[in-house]
Amino acid sequence: DTEVTQTPKHLVMGMTNKKSLKCEQHMGHRAMYWYKQKAKKPPELMFVYSYEKLSINESVPSRFSPECPNSSLLNLHLHALQPEDSALYLCASSLHTLSGVESFFGPGTRLTVL
Amino acid sequence: AQSVTQLGSHVSVSEGALVLLRCNYSSSVPPYLFWYVQYPNQGLQLLLKYTSAATLVKGINGFEAEFKKSETSFHLTKPSAHMSDAAEYFCAVRLNFGNEKLTFGTGTRLTIIP
Repeated sequence: DTEVTQTPKHLVMGMTNKKSLKCEQHMGHRAMYWYKQKAKKPPELMFVYSYEKLSINESVPSRFSPECPNSSLLNLHLHALQPEDSALYLCASSLHTLSGVESFFGPGTRLTVL
Repeated sequence: AQSVTQLGSHVSVSEGALVLLRCNYSSSVPPYLFWYVQYPNQGLQLLLKYTSAATLVKGINGFEAEFKKSETSFHLTKPSAHMSDAAEYFCAVRLNFGNEKLTFGTGTRLTIIP
């Protein structure tokens, strides 16, 4: 299995809702990432988990809450989002966080905040 | 700090013509460099990577890139464009001393003219 899966593919939520995005990989990778991508822009790093521990938080607002329950799963909990948070959310994984290894990306979750 | 610059946000080539997408990097230490492709409404797929083993790197779908330290460049080429190559292409850099961050360029949208 050489892929990263993300669910759901699409999500529409109101500003008072609580929802979660899920990411899964079974490649034995020990680093997992969340990126946010706005239309016609490159992905922007949000969080990095290394060996199930949060190692980088790129000053992301607290309405985004990441969780790494085990080495194969990565969640992103969403609460009280704003319309400007609408974007494609990409999950990625890599063997580890040392340089030279490539990141494998999932297909993304298209989030719309009303 | 590391960064990459992609010259040309849009490139159009005729089917069968040479594809050249430009990427220049800025790094105080030898970098690791990557090219990713993103088709509409999909995640990113790795085309190729440079990790100092060889300066000419061959990737998937007939693409290749040459690392030129003197020019701080890592341009992506393909001898003959195919309609299926139409997509967004991102150059990315990661420092080679345990840096967890993958920094993306702004992207180049490739259009193929029939």
